[in-house]
Amino acid sequence: ETGVTQSPTHLIKTRGQQVTLRCSSQSGHNTVSWYQQALGQGPQFIFQYYREEENGRGNFPPRFSGLQFPNYSSELNVNALELDDSALYLCASAPGGRPGTGELFFGEGSRLTVL
Amino acid sequence: GESVGLHLPTLSVQEGDNSIINCAYSNSASDYFIWYKQESGKGPQFIIDIRSNMDKRQGQRVTVLLNKTVKHLSLQIAATQPGDSAVYFCAEMNLVPQKLVFGQGTRLTINP
Repeated sequence: ETGVTQSPTHLIKTRGQQVTLRCSSQSGHNTVSWYQQALGQGPQFIFQYYREEENGRGNFPPRFSGLQFPNYSSELNVNALELDDSALYLCASAPGGRPGTGELFFGEGSRLTVL
Repeated sequence: GESVGLHLPTLSVQEGDNSIINCAYSNSASDYFIWYKQESGKGPQFIIDIRSNMDKRQGQRVTVLLNKTVKHLSLQIAATQPGDSAVYFCAEMNLVPQKLVFGQGTRLTINP
């Protein structure tokens, strides 16, 4: 167990709708990242939050947005859903600052299906 | 652009044998190279990492080798067990931001 929890675990939406995914990071971790994992692929970096500020972004359009709250939990919002947004969305937390390790702690993910 | 890839999509080994999973990378500026294990229905789980200034690191039953000359990373698993069955991803990371670039993954299957 990594101590990172995500909700919901599964959800189904239709094209054009909006979705909010939630993540509670491991205690003491102030950095949260979101990744998108399409079926059979490796996870792709969406963005990272550090102390409530976006701290880096991958190659995703602006309809992917996020928030980090004072307790370091986080949300991923996706507007105007497209069929290709169907994927496993993974949240990962880390101690932040400049850690001396490549380790991120991943949650089990939220499986989004867009019909 | 950045890319981390794998030589083989699947690997099948006998229980008790050693497994070697390979990976090629293209970004020499990465700070860390990491191996993650992902079991079905779960998130990636950290196995071991190696800093870019090292060439070998050992953990419990696992060894990671980094060859910067040919941009190659490998994971060796000793005495492979049924619980080692999973998809293994190599990844590279820069620390600021702490962003992972994953490869496609290798599915490791253990034969009894």
